[in-house]
Amino acid sequence: QKEVEQDPGPLSVPEGAIVSLNCTYSNSAFQYFMWYRQYSRKGPELLMYTYSSGNKEDGRFTAQVDKSSKYISLFIRDSQPSDSATYLCAMNRAMGSGGSNYKLTFGKGTLLTVNP
Amino acid sequence: DAGVTQSPTHLIKTRGQHVTLRCSPISGHKSVSWYQQVLGQGPQFIFQYYEKEERGRGNFPDRFSARQFPNYSSELNVNALLLGDSALYLCASSSAKGRVPTIIFGPGTRLTVT
Repeated sequence: QKEVEQDPGPLSVPEGAIVSLNCTYSNSAFQYFMWYRQYSRKGPELLMYTYSSGNKEDGRFTAQVDKSSKYISLFIRDSQPSDSATYLCAMNRAMGSGGSNYKLTFGKGTLLTVNP
Repeated sequence: DAGVTQSPTHLIKTRGQHVTLRCSPISGHKSVSWYQQVLGQGPQFIFQYYEKEERGRGNFPDRFSARQFPNYSSELNVNALLLGDSALYLCASSSAKGRVPTIIFGPGTRLTVT
């Protein structure tokens, strides 16, 4: 079993739809949860991060973490064609001293297309 | 502020050759990590360096090596290239304010091995 599972899609929605992207994980040591957006042939761009369980909202994006279920989600409201990209979830264990632990474990990524 | 820079943007090598990839982190970031992203997959961790010391290594063969310089820039070296090394190589620059990590990726170097 992989440490992080993410449905690769592809996911196709009409403009304005609410998009739900999800990841599950098996390692209870993960403390930090991140979502990255990656356009074709580009580096991943950090969208949001959360620490431990709870919700975090930033504009049209909401990240949720449920540590009891080992399940994280990213919601995109009022989706736009410019949101078309691959969305990667990533996780990190607790930070070591002196910033010594930055190893991210990624999901496979979900390819999202928002149609005008 | 300049983001993470990587060079070259892309390159083509032949099996058995050696390659060196370079990365400059965001100013003030002391940690650099390297990831390999094969087409259709998420990035896989290769190395992390902090203050010029290796702080983590992923499940990659000894053909992969890296180092960090006093100015915090970094090089990733891959020897005896295999076809399976073809991938996007990503450099990530990191800092931590309090307990929250900020991990920013560069645009990547696309390596094709023929």
